[in-house]
Order: sequence, then structure tokens, then C-alpha cells
Amino acid sequence: GENVEQHPSTLSVQEGDSAVIKCTYSDSASNYFPWYKQELGKRPQLIIDIRSNVGEKKDQRIAVTLNKTAKHFSLHITETQPEDSAVYFCAANQPGGTSYGKLTFGQGTILTVHP
Amino acid sequence: KAGVTQTPRYLIKTRGQQVTLSCSPISGHRSVSWYQQTPGQGLQFLFEYFSETQRNKGNFPGRFSGRQFSNSRSEMNVSTLELGDSALYLCASSLEGRGEQYFGPGTRLTVT
Repeated sequence: GENVEQHPSTLSVQEGDSAVIKCTYSDSASNYFPWYKQELGKRPQLIIDIRSNVGEKKDQRIAVTLNKTAKHFSLHITETQPEDSAVYFCAANQPGGTSYGKLTFGQGTILTVHP
Repeated sequence: KAGVTQTPRYLIKTRGQQVTLSCSPISGHRSVSWYQQTPGQGLQFLFEYFSETQRNKGNFPGRFSGRQFSNSRSEMNVSTLELGDSALYLCASSLEGRGEQYFGPGTRLTVT
């Protein structure tokens, strides 16, 4: 089955700095890679995703890059703000038939942005 | 559109009992997936339903089961509860042919 490794498990930055979270996956058939942000006591919120036919995608201060050959993808947050503090999860799918299939999640990164 | 809703939000059960959790997807979403979230194991996939059929299944024992109704609402059932079943159970809905999954607020199950 799919295995997703996520690093680092905790990340502490100063406000305004950049933050990078990295994930690797094992299933070469994976073609969809979402990132979720989960604040304490809240539901996971989809913040950005990338499909295997794209190498990079940006949305304001966040960007995701994908290297299919190396089977890794990364989340980049620029100009971090205290409200970016949360747990971030990467995920990779295992496609099957007409379905995008199940998502396998990384273990999460606790991001703390200090004012 | 209203988001994914789950009921109940909190539940306390005793070992050996069974429990049923409910999930209502975003209007128009016909795919519903269920996940278990625990501090130790993280987010783990339970199963996915589409058009009242289970399409994918995770590595959980047979005590965990689910179903989907014709209006796309889904339920999951856990029988013979164990202490280790204490977790946040999340459901997520998506449009067919799209990968994006949108999560509900979850049901916090505590087994004593």
C-alpha cells in the first residue's frame, strides 16, 4: 500500500519567515496530492492541491511543488503570519478505476509562527 | 452551499457497545469517505462510498462497517467497541471525478 512520510514533525518560525514542509510517497500510481491545515479543535481544511501532470502550483502565499521522479512534494508558505499556526497534513491518493481512491496522510507537521 | 455535517458531535460509549455515526455530504457530492484520527496513528482511511456502494476499504477490522443511502448521506457503524476505538471520526465528501475532499467537523467518540 501507499506510505507517506512527512517532515519535519514540528516547525517553529518567526513571523515573516518562510516555512517548508516535505513529504515523500511510495506508490508511483499516485496522481493527486492535497495539503490540509487543521487548527486545534477544527476540521482539516484543504488549502492547496496538485495533480501529477503539474510541477508547481501557487495560491497567494502558499505553493506546492511535485517531483514525480523522486516521489516527493513540498508545501511552501511565504511571509508567515501567526494565523498560519496549525497542524499541516500532506496526503497522496491510491487511484482505482474511476475513483481518485483513498487518501493516505502523512503524520502531520505542527507549525508555530511566533509574532 | 452548506458544508459537510456530522452527527452526533460527541459520544461516550462503554466497551462492548455499538455505535452509529452519520454524515451528510455537501449538496451534489456523491462520494463520501470516512477517516479515523488519533494522536498516535494520525489520519487513517476507513472506507469510501459512492452511489450506495463501497468503493474502497482501509485496513480496519470487520467491526467497522458503513453504508450510503440514495441521498448520498452515509453512516458508519462500529460494533463491539474497544478502548482503542476512541478517536475523532471524520467524513469527507467529494464530487465524482474530482479529487478534492471536504471534511466534516467530526464525531469525537470516547470509549470507556
